[in-house]
Amino acid sequence: NAGVTQTPKFQVLKTGQSMTLQCAQDMNHNSMYWYRQDPGMGLRLIYYSASEGTTDKGEVPNGYNVSRLNKREFSLRLESAAPSQTSVYFCASGTNSGNTIYFGEGSWLTVV
Amino acid sequence: GENVEQHPSTLSVQEGDSAVIKCTYSDSASNYFPWYKQELGKRPQLIIDIRSNVGEKKDQRIAVTLNKTAKHFSLHITETQPEDSAVYFCAARSYQAGTALIFGKGTTLSVSS
Repeated sequence: NAGVTQTPKFQVLKTGQSMTLQCAQDMNHNSMYWYRQDPGMGLRLIYYSASEGTTDKGEVPNGYNVSRLNKREFSLRLESAAPSQTSVYFCASGTNSGNTIYFGEGSWLTVV
Repeated sequence: GENVEQHPSTLSVQEGDSAVIKCTYSDSASNYFPWYKQELGKRPQLIIDIRSNVGEKKDQRIAVTLNKTAKHFSLHITETQPEDSAVYFCAARSYQAGTALIFGKGTTLSVSS
C-alpha cells in the first residue's frame, strides 16, 4: 500500500533556483493538498485541488505554483527559491465526502 | 477564512496521568474536526475525529469532545504512556477552503516515566 508518495525526500537549493516537488496517490482520491510545516507554526495550507483540473490557493500560496497533472498527481513548484521557503513540505490526499486526509512522508527542503 | 487556535503549545505529564489539549475554531460552518499525532521525523497520522452532529467520541484511551455553541473541541488522553509523547494537531474543515483542513499550531506532549 503506497498511499501518498512524495519525491524528493531531501533537497538543498541555492537562493533563486527552481524545483518541483512531486506527489502521487494511489487511493483514487479526488482532493489533493500541499502543506508546509515550520517549527511552532503547525501545518499551513499552500494550495489544494478538489478535482482534476482545478486548483485553489490556501493560506500561504505566495512563491509557489501547482499543477494537478491528473487524478493521481499534484506537483508543487518553487520558481525562485528563497530562504524563507526552507521547510518540510507535506502532500496529502482525501475524498470530497468530508472524510479525513492522508499525508505523504514529507519532503525536507533547505534553501541556502 | 477558518482560524484554529490550539492550547497549550507544550504539555508535560507523568506516566499514568491524563492529558487534555484544547482547540477553538472560528468558522461556524465547519463540521469535521480530526486530531493528528506526529512523531519526530514522521508524517502526521489521524488518531481520532469527530463530526459536528456528535458531542463526544471515544477510542480506548483517547476521546474527543465538541462544543459547537462555543466553537471548541478537546482531546483527552487517559492513562498516558511514554509512547504517547509526540506533537498533536487539531484541525477543522472550512468550506471556504473546499475540502482542506486548517490546522492548529500543535501541542508537544511529553510523558515521563
